[in-house]
Amino acid sequence: AQKITQTQPGMFVQEKEAVTLDCTYDTSDQSYGLFWYKQPSSGEMIFLIYQGSYDEQNATEGRYSLNFQKARKSANLVISASQLGDSAMYFCAMRGSIQGAQKLVFGQGTRLTINP
Amino acid sequence: GAVVSQHPSWVICKSGTSVKIECRSLDFQATTMFWYRQFPKQSLMLMATSNEGSKATYEQGVEKDKFLINHASLTLSTLTVTSAHPEDSSFYICSAPEGGFSPLHFGNGTRLTVT
Repeated sequence: AQKITQTQPGMFVQEKEAVTLDCTYDTSDQSYGLFWYKQPSSGEMIFLIYQGSYDEQNATEGRYSLNFQKARKSANLVISASQLGDSAMYFCAMRGSIQGAQKLVFGQGTRLTINP
Repeated sequence: GAVVSQHPSWVICKSGTSVKIECRSLDFQATTMFWYRQFPKQSLMLMATSNEGSKATYEQGVEKDKFLINHASLTLSTLTVTSAHPEDSSFYICSAPEGGFSPLHFGNGTRLTVT
């Protein structure tokens, strides 16, 4: 079974500072994908960044980067130069390759609040 | 980019009635779609996997007869909450993969309130 753990229920950060959101995972799959999604209060799920288990380099997308440490089974999201609009729930998620359906399993989420 | 459309965005119904939620992939075909439920301040919990042309696969603890899923075409999956009760009030959100390890595309969700 796959499991995603986010240990930070809430984070408070000053605007323009960098923030790291923690995510650890557990899976028996050799091939898997790790994702981060942002969910503002409106409820929509916004895809931020993806890391494949065989990718050797950490993924980056604009102000988002993923600190992937395979041996530690961690996939932390780093947001640089935080903005007020970054305030939202953030979910780490995983998809495996076994069982065919490639369903996405989510962590508990972290509520990020950016203070002006 | 690929888009998933979900309708309605919100619905209020009375106890005992049924509610149908539609999920459409607008510019790609989806043989599989996923239905999630999210209670306030909680994570998304997978309810079931909708398979085009075959029966849905339900997660443990999800009542098949209560949450009817139909995947009638390669672009449409529906979730029907039958005989709704107040405890079914939640945020329901569908998603569909484009293929491989591409990100799941999510609908905007349906907020269901059962009175």
